Amino acid sequence: IAGITQAPTSQILAAGRRMTLRCTQDMRHNAMYWYRQDLGLGLRLIHYSNTAGTTGKGEVPDGYSVSRANTDDFPLTLASAVPSQTSVYFCASRGSSGGSGGYTFGSGTRLTVV
Amino acid sequence: GENVEQHPSTLSVQEGDSAVIKCTYSDSASNYFPWYKQELGKRPQLIIDIRSNVGEKKDQRIAVTLNKTAKHFSLHITETQPEDSAVYFCAALGGDDYKLSFGAGTTVTVRA
Repeated sequence: IAGITQAPTSQILAAGRRMTLRCTQDMRHNAMYWYRQDLGLGLRLIHYSNTAGTTGKGEVPDGYSVSRANTDDFPLTLASAVPSQTSVYFCASRGSSGGSGGYTFGSGTRLTVV
Repeated sequence: GENVEQHPSTLSVQEGDSAVIKCTYSDSASNYFPWYKQELGKRPQLIIDIRSNVGEKKDQRIAVTLNKTAKHFSLHITETQPEDSAVYFCAALGGDDYKLSFGAGTTVTVRA
């Protein structure tokens, strides 16, 4: 693993099913984030974690949950998928504490809910 | 929370001309402003950033300016080339938290 890895790359999911998107980083970054990207809406924050053991809600958290049991992993779970959750999901991490330092993004997961 | 607005949503320029993208932010405590480039089907990549104690930063053909009083910042690309065609996102990092808020993006097309 080099950097930040997301899995799966893409997924077609039946509505009502449960799905976990995986995100792992090997940079020992404290902060991790989940964004969804929809055309014309940019990147919208779903959930975040400033450090292992803590999580917080972003601007579009409904229907999603996260956990941060350790520094490296930050999975995103859709408990019961709906078509409006069709999107491209990006995980990101940031190493600097305090107000500086850019994000490193994963390669994304394209999710289609049918 | 922070609100970032980005204009224009699309921009078409002739190769060799300049491109300018403008963003405004709402939280006066924001102190870090990165710009990301996203090519089709790829992840966003950081191309340049600026911190609130600096007014301008340049890296080869790209530059970013920041006006803290007016709460706006801009990306300037000079001598545009076809490989500059992409979606560009501005972002702002709030003063009290460590979450980036993104603009909606600008699709830049460089015409050969």
